[in-house]
Amino acid sequence: DADVTQTPRNRITKTGKRIMLECSQTKGHDRMYWYRQDPGLGLRLIYYSFDVKDINKGEISDGYSVSRQAQAKFSLSLESAIPNQTALYFCAVGGEWDNQPQHFGDGTRLSIL
Amino acid sequence: EDQVTQSPEALRLQEGESSSLNCSYTVSGLRGLFWYRQDPGKGPEFLFTLYSAGEEKEKERLKATLTKKESFLHITAPKPEDSATYLCAVSPLRATDSWGKLQFGAGTQVVVTP
Repeated sequence: DADVTQTPRNRITKTGKRIMLECSQTKGHDRMYWYRQDPGLGLRLIYYSFDVKDINKGEISDGYSVSRQAQAKFSLSLESAIPNQTALYFCAVGGEWDNQPQHFGDGTRLSIL
Repeated sequence: EDQVTQSPEALRLQEGESSSLNCSYTVSGLRGLFWYRQDPGKGPEFLFTLYSAGEEKEKERLKATLTKKESFLHITAPKPEDSATYLCAVSPLRATDSWGKLQFGAGTQVVVTP
């Protein structure tokens, strides 16, 4: 299984602040993803990266940016946080081939006041 | 537009009381359907991948099945440790896409009481 580490695990911040969530993996997957989870809405894809030079917007990318610093690191930034970005954020890796599902980190609980 | 709908939203079971969760999907071609389990404070944990109608997969008390429009996750004789939220996701089949882009349902929260 993939080893996916997300930091921080919890964060409380104020409207307008810049926030960075970090994700690192130890299994050498080329593909990495950022999702947001809200009650009743399920997981929604924010950004995804198929390799270091390939970054793509998901269905809800407005207000977010990402950086793929290396194969193992993929960070998500909120340039100017707003309260409706309060959610659980998950990083995932994998999905390159058949029979290879995505594997998730344990998430960051982000609260914006 | 691709859609994934899970029902019921919540399910409360007595230990040993078997039941089924439903995942209905509308996609323009299905590459694969995934089931995940999510415990509170944790990320989703992969359970199964199903590729074609008629396929079945089993793991302990869980069995997943797939038709052309829906998938079922059957929980047989559940135990309290089966309490979790179960998520369904589909990977649509499109020329420029791959396994990477998943469409998730909102999940079914299952509580199994002793």
